[in-house]
Parts: sequence; C-alpha cells; structure tokens
Amino acid sequence: EVQLVESGGGLVKPGGSLRLSCAASGFTFSSYSMNWVRQAPGKGLEWVSSITTSSSYIYYADSVKARFTISRDNAKNSLYLQMNSLRAEDTAVYYCARGSGSFSTDAFDFWGLGTMVTVSS
Amino acid sequence: QSVLTQPPSASGTPGQRVTISCSGSSSDIGSNTVNWYQQIPGTAPKLLIYSNNQRPSGVPDRFSGSKSGTSASLAISGLQSEDEADYYCATWDDSLNGWVFGGGTKLTVL
Repeated sequence: EVQLVESGGGLVKPGGSLRLSCAASGFTFSSYSMNWVRQAPGKGLEWVSSITTSSSYIYYADSVKARFTISRDNAKNSLYLQMNSLRAEDTAVYYCARGSGSFSTDAFDFWGLGTMVTVSS
Repeated sequence: QSVLTQPPSASGTPGQRVTISCSGSSSDIGSNTVNWYQQIPGTAPKLLIYSNNQRPSGVPDRFSGSKSGTSASLAISGLQSEDEADYYCATWDDSLNGWVFGGGTKLTVL
C-alpha cells in the first residue's frame, strides 16, 4: 500500500526557516517523480515544487523560487522541502504527492495527509 | 487568481448529471493533458481523472473527463450525496514550467 507521511510543520516567525519531510513506503520511491502542493486555509490547491527521479529536473512556483529548495534521498525513501525566508502567505497545509511516473508532468496519483505550516509573529 | 478558470460552485440533485468546466490557454490546457482531483472537506485531494479522460482504478465510471482546445470538463452522472466535494482541474504550463490548478469548484448535492 502506497503511503506518504509528511512531518516537520509547525509555527514559525516571519523570516524563519522550516524543513518538511515526506516518508514514502509501499512503492519503489526512486522510480517516481515527487511533488509538494500547498493549500492555504479556506483556499484552493497551489503547486509548490516538483523533482524528478534522480533529481535531474527541479521546478518551483514563482511564489517560492529562491526561498524554497526541494530535494530527495532515494536511499531513505524521503522527500524534503527546505523553506527559508518564510512569509505569512506561506501559511498552508503542505501535501507531499507522488507523480504517477518518472516525469514531472505526470499526474499526482497519491497524496499524503499533509502537514500544517503557520507563519506568524 | 488561478491560471485555470473554474466556476466557484455547482449543484445538482441525486441522480442528476452535472458538469464542471475548466478554461485555460494555449500554453497550459492547449498543450498538455488535464487531470482532475476530488477533495472532500478535511481530507487530502484524490486523483479522479488523468490524461483528460482516464480513470484510476477504483474511480466509478460515473465520473468522466473531456478536453477540447483550451478547455476541459468533468462530468458526474448519477449524482450521489458522497460526491459532495471540491473539484480541481490541473495541468502543466509550458510557459511557467510548472503545474497550474483551477480555483476549485464546490459541488453541492441538494
């Protein structure tokens, strides 16, 4: 059974940093692209970042470019999101989502339950 | 403001057929396939339709998708109370080099 479990969320002050993790199980992690998608309270889904299987291709939404860094460790079956210079508008539930294949353009076929990030003084 | 445009709400009675539209441009829907996600309030999104009209295993055939030019649609036939949820379209945008989502449509079963 595919499982994605996010962790690392919490309350952080504006300008602070946070590192999210996503532990994957139930599939060959190294064969799939991975993604982060967020959802601000009461709002819709917003794509954040994608990474291909061997980290060869990485993409970011303009809203997080130069502040967030996506990475993966295929040996540990884990996906990460390093978030720096956090702003109030980054407050959201952050979901880890698996791409249905190795390409960044593959649909997100499995999602974690999400981890809440709150940026507030 | 979302790149893809969806109606904010839709509704129908049990057994009815409803459609939800998703409008984009040549760089997104016009160039790539469309996926649809269902999100029941308080839960994580779930893939409903991929590659315009394909259903993942376990998704009832009451759900169908289509695409024409720079627009796509999700149709739900034989509406059931459990279909009450938010629905999002999404596709890759060649200009932005990233994914774009619609603003979401809240479906109410009357």
